[in-house]
Amino acid sequence: QQQVKQSPQSLIVQKGGISIINCAYENTAFDYFPWYQQFPGKGPALLIAIRPDVSEKKEGRFTISFNKSAKQFSLHIMDSQPGDSATYFCAAPLVTNMLTFGGGTRLMVKP
Amino acid sequence: DAGITQSPRHKVTETGTPVTLRCHQTENHRYMYWYRQDPGHGLRLIHYSYGVKDTDKGEVSDGYSVSRSKTEDFLLTLESATSSQTSVYFCAISESSGGGEQFFGPGTRLTVL
Repeated sequence: QQQVKQSPQSLIVQKGGISIINCAYENTAFDYFPWYQQFPGKGPALLIAIRPDVSEKKEGRFTISFNKSAKQFSLHIMDSQPGDSATYFCAAPLVTNMLTFGGGTRLMVKP
Repeated sequence: DAGITQSPRHKVTETGTPVTLRCHQTENHRYMYWYRQDPGHGLRLIHYSYGVKDTDKGEVSDGYSVSRSKTEDFLLTLESATSSQTSVYFCAISESSGGGEQFFGPGTRLTVL
Protein backbone atom coordinates (compact mmCIF):
# COMPACT_ATOMS: atom_id res chain seq x y z
CA GLN A 1 0.00 0.00 0.00
CA GLN A 2 1.38 3.37 -0.98
CA GLN A 3 2.20 5.78 1.81
CA VAL A 4 3.24 9.33 2.41
CA LYS A 5 6.26 9.28 4.70
CA GLN A 6 6.66 12.34 6.89
CA SER A 7 9.62 13.27 9.09
CA PRO A 8 10.46 14.12 11.77
CA GLN A 9 7.68 12.95 14.08
CA SER A 10 8.45 15.76 16.49
CA LEU A 11 10.47 18.94 16.31
CA ILE A 12 11.57 21.52 18.85
CA VAL A 13 12.73 24.89 17.55
CA GLN A 14 13.69 28.09 19.28
CA LYS A 15 11.68 31.22 18.58
CA GLY A 16 13.01 32.88 15.45
CA GLY A 17 14.47 29.68 14.08
CA ILE A 18 13.59 27.73 10.94
CA SER A 19 11.34 24.68 11.14
CA ILE A 20 11.67 22.11 8.36
CA ILE A 21 9.36 19.15 7.82
CA ASN A 22 9.82 16.68 5.01
CA CYS A 23 7.53 14.34 3.10
CA ALA A 24 8.13 11.65 0.49
CA TYR A 25 5.70 9.76 -1.68
CA GLU A 26 5.80 7.01 -4.30
CA ASN A 27 3.38 7.92 -7.06
CA THR A 28 0.48 10.33 -7.30
CA ALA A 29 -2.69 10.46 -9.35
CA PHE A 30 -1.95 14.12 -10.08
CA ASP A 31 0.17 16.94 -8.74
CA TYR A 32 -1.28 18.64 -5.70
CA PHE A 33 0.58 18.74 -2.40
CA PRO A 34 -1.01 20.44 0.61
CA TRP A 35 0.11 20.99 4.16
CA TYR A 36 -2.41 21.06 6.98
CA GLN A 37 -2.00 22.57 10.45
CA GLN A 38 -3.82 21.25 13.50
CA PHE A 39 -4.07 22.79 16.95
CA PRO A 40 -5.02 20.65 19.96
CA GLY A 41 -8.71 19.88 20.11
CA LYS A 42 -9.35 21.22 16.61
CA GLY A 43 -9.70 19.78 13.15
CA PRO A 44 -6.86 20.22 10.65
CA ALA A 45 -6.93 23.31 8.45
CA LEU A 46 -5.21 23.94 5.14
CA LEU A 47 -2.02 25.94 5.64
CA ILE A 48 -0.50 26.07 2.17
CA ALA A 49 -0.60 23.95 -0.99
CA ILE A 50 1.38 23.66 -4.21
CA ARG A 51 0.45 22.51 -7.68
CA PRO A 52 3.90 21.95 -9.05
CA ASP A 53 4.11 23.88 -12.21
CA VAL A 54 6.59 25.63 -9.90
CA SER A 55 9.14 24.13 -7.51
CA GLU A 56 8.44 26.50 -4.65
CA LYS A 57 5.52 28.42 -3.17
CA LYS A 58 5.77 30.99 -0.45
CA GLU A 59 3.03 32.48 1.69
CA GLY A 60 4.32 34.77 4.39
CA ARG A 61 6.65 32.79 6.64
CA PHE A 62 5.59 29.45 5.14
CA THR A 63 7.24 27.92 2.07
CA ILE A 64 6.68 24.65 0.25
CA SER A 65 9.64 23.29 -1.69
CA PHE A 66 8.95 20.53 -4.19
CA ASN A 67 11.37 18.11 -5.86
CA LYS A 68 9.45 16.12 -8.44
CA SER A 69 12.31 13.88 -9.52
CA ALA A 70 12.97 12.85 -5.91
CA LYS A 71 9.23 12.66 -5.13
CA GLN A 72 9.73 14.79 -2.06
CA PHE A 73 8.31 18.03 -0.74
CA SER A 74 8.95 20.00 2.38
CA LEU A 75 7.51 22.76 4.54
CA HIS A 76 9.76 25.52 5.81
CA ILE A 77 8.59 27.86 8.55
CA MET A 78 10.80 30.90 8.78
CA ASP A 79 11.08 32.98 11.95
CA SER A 80 9.15 30.32 13.88
CA GLN A 81 6.85 31.66 16.61
CA PRO A 82 5.33 30.02 19.70
CA GLY A 83 1.94 30.38 18.00
CA ASP A 84 3.17 28.03 15.27
CA SER A 85 3.29 25.21 17.83
CA ALA A 86 0.91 22.64 16.36
CA THR A 87 0.83 19.36 14.49
CA TYR A 88 1.55 19.55 10.76
CA PHE A 89 0.42 17.05 8.16
CA CYS A 90 1.52 16.74 4.56
CA ALA A 91 -0.74 15.02 2.06
CA ALA A 92 -0.67 13.76 -1.50
CA PRO A 93 -3.30 12.43 -3.93
CA LEU A 94 -1.95 8.90 -4.31
CA VAL A 95 -5.34 7.78 -5.63
CA THR A 96 -7.99 9.77 -7.50
CA ASN A 97 -10.59 11.39 -5.24
CA MET A 98 -8.50 10.88 -2.12
CA LEU A 99 -5.76 12.56 -0.16
CA THR A 100 -3.33 10.35 1.73
CA PHE A 101 -1.87 12.05 4.78
CA GLY A 102 1.54 11.70 6.34
CA GLY A 103 1.87 10.60 9.97
CA GLY A 104 2.18 14.15 11.28
CA THR A 105 4.89 16.26 12.90
CA ARG A 106 4.38 17.80 16.31
CA LEU A 107 6.17 21.15 16.33
CA MET A 108 7.02 23.00 19.51
CA VAL A 109 8.48 26.49 19.27
CA LYS A 110 10.17 27.55 22.50
CA PRO A 111 9.99 31.22 23.51
CA ASP B 1 -15.14 28.57 9.41
CA ALA B 2 -16.71 26.18 6.96
CA GLY B 3 -20.15 25.11 8.14
CA ILE B 4 -19.43 21.60 9.34
CA THR B 5 -20.77 20.10 12.51
CA GLN B 6 -20.23 16.66 13.96
CA SER B 7 -22.36 14.88 16.51
CA PRO B 8 -21.87 13.67 19.08
CA ARG B 9 -18.59 15.36 20.02
CA HIS B 10 -17.79 12.74 22.62
CA LYS B 11 -19.06 9.22 23.07
CA VAL B 12 -18.21 6.31 25.31
CA THR B 13 -19.67 2.96 24.38
CA GLU B 14 -19.14 -0.71 25.01
CA THR B 15 -17.70 -3.37 22.75
CA GLY B 16 -20.31 -4.90 20.48
CA THR B 17 -22.73 -1.99 20.44
CA PRO B 18 -23.66 -0.13 17.24
CA VAL B 19 -22.56 3.48 16.95
CA THR B 20 -23.50 6.15 14.42
CA LEU B 21 -21.63 9.41 13.98
CA ARG B 22 -23.15 12.25 12.05
CA CYS B 23 -21.55 14.91 9.89
CA HIS B 24 -23.66 17.86 8.75
CA GLN B 25 -22.58 20.57 6.31
CA THR B 26 -24.18 23.80 5.21
CA GLU B 27 -21.74 24.49 2.34
CA ASN B 28 -23.39 22.28 -0.32
CA HIS B 29 -20.02 20.68 -1.10
CA ARG B 30 -20.15 17.56 -3.24
CA TYR B 31 -17.42 15.54 -1.52
CA MET B 32 -17.55 14.37 2.09
CA TYR B 33 -14.98 12.26 3.92
CA TRP B 34 -14.63 10.34 7.16
CA TYR B 35 -11.15 10.04 8.69
CA ARG B 36 -9.85 8.57 11.89
CA GLN B 37 -6.88 10.05 13.70
CA ASP B 38 -4.61 7.95 15.86
CA PRO B 39 -1.19 8.81 17.31
CA GLY B 40 1.57 8.00 14.85
CA HIS B 41 -0.85 7.26 12.02
CA GLY B 42 -1.91 10.71 11.02
CA LEU B 43 -5.28 10.89 9.34
CA ARG B 44 -6.54 7.77 7.63
CA LEU B 45 -9.47 7.78 5.26
CA ILE B 46 -12.32 5.44 6.19
CA HIS B 47 -14.94 6.17 3.51
CA TYR B 48 -15.84 9.05 1.29
CA SER B 49 -18.81 10.23 -0.73
CA TYR B 50 -18.86 11.93 -4.11
CA GLY B 51 -22.57 12.60 -4.18
CA VAL B 52 -25.90 11.57 -2.69
CA LYS B 53 -25.94 7.78 -2.40
CA ASP B 54 -22.46 7.61 -3.99
CA THR B 55 -19.82 6.33 -1.60
CA ASP B 56 -16.53 4.46 -1.78
CA LYS B 57 -14.04 2.85 0.56
CA GLY B 58 -10.90 4.43 1.91
CA GLU B 59 -7.82 2.75 3.26
CA VAL B 60 -9.28 1.59 6.62
CA SER B 61 -12.92 0.77 5.82
CA ASP B 62 -13.25 -2.63 7.53
CA GLY B 63 -15.82 -2.51 10.33
CA TYR B 64 -17.37 0.75 9.10
CA SER B 65 -20.25 1.63 6.82
CA VAL B 66 -21.53 4.97 5.59
CA SER B 67 -24.64 6.48 4.13
CA ARG B 68 -25.46 9.74 2.42
CA SER B 69 -29.16 10.27 1.69
CA LYS B 70 -28.91 14.05 1.53
CA THR B 71 -26.20 16.39 0.31
CA GLU B 72 -25.73 17.85 3.75
CA ASP B 73 -25.50 14.68 5.86
CA PHE B 74 -22.91 11.90 5.90
CA LEU B 75 -23.29 9.16 8.49
CA LEU B 76 -20.60 6.80 9.72
CA THR B 77 -21.76 3.59 11.38
CA LEU B 78 -19.79 1.11 13.42
CA GLU B 79 -22.04 -1.95 13.28
CA SER B 80 -20.41 -3.61 16.29
CA ALA B 81 -17.84 -1.40 17.95
CA THR B 82 -14.48 -2.83 18.97
CA SER B 83 -11.76 -1.37 21.19
CA SER B 84 -9.54 -0.90 18.12
CA GLN B 85 -12.06 1.66 16.88
CA THR B 86 -11.34 3.95 19.81
CA SER B 87 -10.17 7.05 18.02
CA VAL B 88 -10.90 10.64 17.07
CA TYR B 89 -13.09 10.79 13.98
CA PHE B 90 -13.05 13.75 11.62
CA CYS B 91 -15.45 14.60 8.88
CA ALA B 92 -14.24 16.73 5.98
CA ILE B 93 -15.85 18.33 2.95
CA SER B 94 -14.57 19.66 -0.34
CA GLU B 95 -15.94 21.09 -3.54
CA SER B 96 -13.62 19.02 -5.71
CA SER B 97 -11.95 15.65 -5.45
CA GLY B 98 -8.47 15.03 -3.96
CA GLY B 99 -6.99 18.06 -5.62
CA GLY B 100 -8.83 20.69 -3.65
CA GLU B 101 -8.97 22.07 -0.14
CA GLN B 102 -10.69 19.92 2.42
CA PHE B 103 -12.46 21.60 5.33
CA PHE B 104 -12.52 19.60 8.52
CA GLY B 105 -15.11 19.41 11.25
CA PRO B 106 -14.30 19.66 14.97
CA GLY B 107 -14.03 15.90 15.47
CA THR B 108 -15.74 13.22 17.57
CA ARG B 109 -13.80 11.46 20.29
CA LEU B 110 -15.05 7.87 20.52
CA THR B 111 -14.02 5.51 23.28
CA VAL B 112 -14.97 1.84 23.06
CA LEU B 113 -14.62 0.02 26.37
